[in-house]
Amino acid sequence: SAVISQKPSRDICQRGTSLTIQCQVDSQVTMMFWYRQQPGQSLTLIATANQGSEATYESGFVIDKFPISRPNLTFSTLTVSNMSPEDSSIYLCSVRSGAGNQPQHFGDGTRLSIL
Amino acid sequence: DQQVKQNSPSLSVQEGRISILNCDYTNSMFDYFLWYKKYPAEGPTFLISISSIKDKNEDGRFTVFLNKSAKHLSLHIVPSQPGDSAVYFCAANNAGNMLTFGGGTRLMVKP
Repeated sequence: SAVISQKPSRDICQRGTSLTIQCQVDSQVTMMFWYRQQPGQSLTLIATANQGSEATYESGFVIDKFPISRPNLTFSTLTVSNMSPEDSSIYLCSVRSGAGNQPQHFGDGTRLSIL
Repeated sequence: DQQVKQNSPSLSVQEGRISILNCDYTNSMFDYFLWYKKYPAEGPTFLISISSIKDKNEDGRFTVFLNKSAKHLSLHIVPSQPGDSAVYFCAANNAGNMLTFGGGTRLMVKP
């Protein structure tokens, strides 16, 4: 499966600031996704990153708070804007190749703490 | 409303014995089910999947069983090894892109 690199692996940020997380894949993939795992919770899909167009957001997530870019088939960024302590979570990038029922593969995540 | 549930937050098993992790779902539109393993400070690693047209899929020590009428799937690990100690998530897909995850079960395999 593809090798997925996320940067940074962790960060501690001040409230009100923004942080951009990068996801780089070593091969072209069809789909890229961003998930959040809040403390003690399961994984929740934030959005699907679409190449060359606006991301598709799930209920409860908006572009102003989580702007996403996907300029090509191997790279995407997620920005967490105007952070508050409630945004302290692990943010994960995942990818899927091909169509139909195929597994998603995940990066190691970015552990974000907001003071 | 949790569409995918893992009712056991933790499970402890002796090395060499069978580990059985369970998962229940409510959405009958789910047609593809997956199991992931997660170690601390790492992302989830894909283990095994099953399509709704099957009732069993096997890969080495891992077997997933699907009971559609009961909306239940299970992951069997035989024999269990200490390196299997991790959090296991089941996930389901309904022909779209969205994976819905269960809450996870922490498996501890004792030597």
